[in-house]
Amino acid sequence: AQKVTQAQTEISVVEKEDVTLDCVYETRDTTYYLFWYKQPPSGELVFLIRRNSFDEQNEISGRYSWNFQKSTSSFNFTITASQVVDSAVYFCALSEPGIQGAQKLVFGQGTRLTINP
Amino acid sequence: SAVISQKPSRDICQRGTSLTIQCQVDSQVTMMFWYRQQPGQSLTLIATANQGSEATYESGFVIDKFPISRPNLTFSTLTVSNMSPEDSSIYLCSVAGTIPVNTGELFFGEGSRLTVL
Repeated sequence: AQKVTQAQTEISVVEKEDVTLDCVYETRDTTYYLFWYKQPPSGELVFLIRRNSFDEQNEISGRYSWNFQKSTSSFNFTITASQVVDSAVYFCALSEPGIQGAQKLVFGQGTRLTINP
Repeated sequence: SAVISQKPSRDICQRGTSLTIQCQVDSQVTMMFWYRQQPGQSLTLIATANQGSEATYESGFVIDKFPISRPNLTFSTLTVSNMSPEDSSIYLCSVAGTIPVNTGELFFGEGSRLTVL
């Protein structure tokens, strides 16, 4: 069975600090997709990244970066120079592949990130 | 891409009543899913809505409690039946497999926030 573990329930840092959110996953599939979503207090899910299991390159997008390591089944997310607007709950998720690409998701428990001014 | 409209965006309901949530997509999609997010919790898949056949429910969810319809490739409904306060959650619609060009992406609606008194 698939499983996603976000061991950090809550993280609180001061603005401008760097922060890393951990994500560890379990799957027996050789092909899968990994996702990160942001959920601000308004409740909607904001898509951040999707990564195919065959693509282990790290990715950087502005202040966001992701470290995918298949050897440790981890897909960690780092925010550099954090800002108050980064405060949200962040979810890591795992999808089984399908003929149509990513399909239903298994979510981690989420990490509530609070950035204090 | 696919833009998803969910209705209602929020509602307050009385115990014992039923509520139907609608999910409308602006383009045809092959796959539609319904998720539940209880307060302070992660997202859990309720079921996959299948066009022209019964929905496929995940463990712990049953058709009598959460009947689902999917009459075509752009629309689905989820009914929460005989509601109790424990059904207070955000219900989210997700789609995948856009037609004619499938980008392999997943899309989420903004959710329907349900409070049961």
